[in-house]
Parts: sequence; structure tokens; C-alpha cells
Amino acid sequence: VLLVVCGGGLAQPGGSLRLSCAASGFSASGHYMSWVRQAPGKGLEWVSLIYAGGSPYYADSVKGRFSISRDNLMNTVYLQLNGLRAEDTAVYYCARDLPTITIFGVEDYHGMDVWGQGTTVTVSS
Amino acid sequence: DIQMTQSPSSVSASVGDRVTITCRASEDISTWLAWYQQKPGKAPKLLIYAASHLQTGVPSRFSGSGSGTDFTLTISSLQPEDFATYFCQQANSFPSITFGQGTRLEIK
Repeated sequence: VLLVVCGGGLAQPGGSLRLSCAASGFSASGHYMSWVRQAPGKGLEWVSLIYAGGSPYYADSVKGRFSISRDNLMNTVYLQLNGLRAEDTAVYYCARDLPTITIFGVEDYHGMDVWGQGTTVTVSS
Repeated sequence: DIQMTQSPSSVSASVGDRVTITCRASEDISTWLAWYQQKPGKAPKLLIYAASHLQTGVPSRFSGSGSGTDFTLTISSLQPEDFATYFCQQANSFPSITFGQGTRLEIK
């Protein structure tokens, strides 16, 4: 069970990048998949999630600029980063998330059990 | 947003010591809390889920407890490989999860 992340690099303010997270050993389409980032020397910040059913969710800090998607045939999840800002500079991780969600809310939670190695995004002119 | 506050922010300890890290949520999160260990340049690693359940493969010297707003991570006898940064994370407001700011565990 493995996640491999790539696509980071240097972008100018206002620029774009596309990150990819390739899963092996399990089906990404059957799981909740999250992106989490970590600015240099800082803590962890949840960025986006795509549900098994395909619904996307975003942190307020990236809403309207970032877009999450999946390719079930490639078993890959993507994060499209548009309108990049200096404060988006971070290491971006993808992770498999294991909640049990019902109409009543969270019924169980088994954490983010598989993480990719991370890819560095630097936004600078 | 649910705020997660860890204490202490950093702690120095020796091999063999018992260490406890606390995490407080700004509102009741039941037991929907996880703990992660992160070493420099590496991705976080899941240690504890649902507040007190040990992830498969994690040594039994790690334990978690708590419910509601107050949680603890305890390492019963520190080993050299345990020196790292530890984060708590709440999932009660899933998918809008939030992390604590981290606790850096250093060698005394």
C-alpha cells in the first residue's frame, strides 16, 4: 500500500501547478483521499478532500483556487493549484483518510493511515 | 473551525523517560482524534486513532487516552527513535479536519 506524490516545483505568484498522487496496493476511488500541506517550519494544514463518491471539499484558504479530482483508471488523485500565492509555499502530502460517516456525522475514525512522501511547492517571483 | 491546542510546544527528555503530551479541543470532539509522529523531511506517521486505538505496527509503549475536549499521548519509555514532532488531529468536523500546532520532543 503506497502513495507516490509528484508535480511540485517553482511557480510565480498567480501561476499554476498540478500535483498528482498515485496509489498502489489499494483503490483510491474507494477511499476518502486528502491533501495536507506543511509550510516551512510550520504545522500541518488540511487542504482538500475527495469522497469515495466524488464530492470535493476545500479549506477556506484555497477555495476557488485549488481543484481536486481523480482518475480511477490511473488510480490517481490530482490537486490543481491555480492563482498561487507566496503563502501556498509548502510541502504537499496526500493521504488516505478513514472515517466512517453516516447521516448522523462521524461514527468512527481510523485516521490518515497511508501518506505519500510529499512534494515541495515554492511560490516566488 | 475547531481549534486544537497542544502542550507543551516542546519538551526535552532522556531515553527511558515517560513523556505525556496533551491536546485540547475548542469544543467536544467525542473520541475522533488521531496522533501522528513526524521526523524531519518525512511524512507524518499514524500512531493512534479514535483517541486510544494503537495503529497496527506501532510499539505498545505509545498509548492515547481522553474524550470530549481533553486528550493525552503517552510514551511509556522513550527510545532513541521516538525523538520527533507529534501532532494531534480532530476529525469530528470531518472533512474540515484540524491539527494541533505540534510538540517537538528533543533529547535532553
